[in-house]
Amino acid sequence: AQSVTQLDSQVPVFEEAPVELRCNYSSSVSVYLFWYVQYPNQGLQLLLKYLSGSTLVKGINGFEAEFNKSQTSFHLRKPSVHISDTAEYFCAVSDYTDKLIFGTGTRLQVFP
Amino acid sequence: DGGITQSPKYLFRKEGQNVTLSCEQNLNHDAMYWYRQDPGQGLRLIYYSQIVNDFQKGDIAEGYSVSREKKESFPLTVTSAQKNPTAFYLCASSFVPGQGMNTEAFFGQGTRLTVV
Repeated sequence: AQSVTQLDSQVPVFEEAPVELRCNYSSSVSVYLFWYVQYPNQGLQLLLKYLSGSTLVKGINGFEAEFNKSQTSFHLRKPSVHISDTAEYFCAVSDYTDKLIFGTGTRLQVFP
Repeated sequence: DGGITQSPKYLFRKEGQNVTLSCEQNLNHDAMYWYRQDPGQGLRLIYYSQIVNDFQKGDIAEGYSVSREKKESFPLTVTSAQKNPTAFYLCASSFVPGQGMNTEAFFGQGTRLTVV
């Protein structure tokens, strides 16, 4: 069975600072990996995804993530955050045959 | 424009009443999902369906029911048996995993249900 662990429930950071949101997964097979963002009272929007190929994946809004198979991680990074990045971020995993499994989310709070 | 639509955005229900949340998609996706979101608990899967007239229970199906009579529609009924129904409900759809296609899920804007 697959599972996803987001190690930080909240990450406070000042504007223009770099940020990393951590995600670890467990699966016995190869997986697809996703990061979604959720703004208050809205649905989830896809930030980026890893399906295969290059382990460094670039997404929208300047975010990127690196797939590390040996460490079973898919951490999300941004070199310089903006106030508008304040939101909830979800990591998700799916193998080739099963449904998406989500982590519990990380709330990114950007302060001026 | 293709997308997934949930309605209503806000819903109030009296205790003891059943209520149905709507979810429609025009993305030609076979798979559809219902999630419940509570603060600090992330997304928990209620039900999912990968084909018309078939659906499976997720992790927290008790007190909920669904139907999948059409590919485009996957309504969720919150029954009076659900002890704590106040939550934010999210519907999603995707291609079916295992068909060699992108399994990215697309989400609706959610329905906030409040029991009064």
